[in-house]
Amino acid sequence: GAVVSQHPSRVICKSGTSVKIECRSLDFQATTMFWYRQFPKKSLMLMATSNEGSKATYEQGVEKDKFLINHASLTLSTLTVTSAHPEDSSFYICSAYRREGAYNEQFFGPGTRLTVL
Amino acid sequence: SQQGEEDPQALSIQEGENATMNCSYKTSINNLQWYRQNSGRGLVHLILIRSNEREKHSGRLRVTLDTSKKSSSLLITASRAADTASYFCATVPPFTGANSKLTFGKGITLSVRP
Repeated sequence: GAVVSQHPSRVICKSGTSVKIECRSLDFQATTMFWYRQFPKKSLMLMATSNEGSKATYEQGVEKDKFLINHASLTLSTLTVTSAHPEDSSFYICSAYRREGAYNEQFFGPGTRLTVL
Repeated sequence: SQQGEEDPQALSIQEGENATMNCSYKTSINNLQWYRQNSGRGLVHLILIRSNEREKHSGRLRVTLDTSKKSSSLLITASRAADTASYFCATVPPFTGANSKLTFGKGITLSVRP
């Protein structure tokens, strides 16, 4: 199957700093990527849809100035958590759509564990 | 908001037994998908069933879909300790184009005792 990577896999930062998380589709081009957030023992919550070459579409309640998304190429989307606070600590997962004929399949990255001290 | 609601929330079985997990949803769908997540890892796609399908098989997995009841079930036969994970159902709404958003349920934690 297709491979989606995330970097870093784990990051610990101090309150007030910014953290950038990368999501890459390694063997296919993805015009659309998604960013999710997952709290312990909870489901995935969609944060935003990242569209290559255009602005991201944020879900209701997600601060776009807090969670900056840049989809600069067909294989890379980045999520920057700005001025991080302890409540931003979470597991962040990205996914990317790969088109195969008439069928689109979504592939997930391995996730990034963010801990804000 | 949560579209899918799985039950039970936690399931513990003995290796070799079958595991059945259910998912109910509220609105119309184009398709429903099941994913597995090992602790602290990303999601692995297991199987997709379209709204016009009633049953699908993939190896030890069997998925059913009842659109009249807005429910789906995932059956894992002859379970193994390696099946221990969280399982999520996710729905895709109809008429939303090629790269549609998934809406995930809360998940079921399956423990398979060796």
